Amino acid sequence: AQSVTQLDSQVPVFEEAPVELRCNYSSSVSVYLFWYVQYPNQGLQLLLKYLSGSTLVKGINGFEAEFNKSQTSFHLRKPSVHISDTAEYFCAVRLNSGYSTLTFGKGTMLLVSP
Amino acid sequence: DTEVTQTPKHLVMGMTNKKSLKCEQHMGHRAMYWYKQKAKKPPELMFVYSYEKLSINESVPSRFSPECPNSSLLNLHLHALQPEDSALYLCASSQDLGTVNYGYTFGSGTRLTVV
Repeated sequence: AQSVTQLDSQVPVFEEAPVELRCNYSSSVSVYLFWYVQYPNQGLQLLLKYLSGSTLVKGINGFEAEFNKSQTSFHLRKPSVHISDTAEYFCAVRLNSGYSTLTFGKGTMLLVSP
Repeated sequence: DTEVTQTPKHLVMGMTNKKSLKCEQHMGHRAMYWYKQKAKKPPELMFVYSYEKLSINESVPSRFSPECPNSSLLNLHLHALQPEDSALYLCASSQDLGTVNYGYTFGSGTRLTVV
């Protein structure tokens, strides 16, 4: 079975600073990886995904993530955050074979202050 | 139309009530999901429908009863709930269970409070 670990439950950062949200996964087979964002009282919105190919993936709102197979990581980065980026961020994994569903990490709350 | 629409947005119900949550999508997706999300927690999978048939039931108590009347609609019928069932209920859809190119599309959820 696959699993996802988000080590940081909360990441405080000042506006316009860079940020990295960490995600590590565990799986005995190849996986697909996703980052979702959830704003307060909203559903989840897909930020970006890694399926195959280039390990650097660009998503919406200026976010990007890099897939590192040797370190089993898929960290999310943004070079300069805005107040509006304050939200919960979930990393998710899905097996790339057969019928499989998303497994979510516990989430990281990004708190951007002025 | 690239949305998943959930109604109602908020619901307060007593422990003896019967209510239903509704989810609708018109993207032609053939897999639909119900998730439960408690505060400060990730979504937990409850049910999966594939081509209108129940494919996965994650050992959910029988007081939750899903229904998929057609390929665009997904309902969650609620009966005799407990206060600990209070949560955000999220509906999602995807192209089908085997295709992952576009991930899942989530609705905005129904905030359920059981009193």
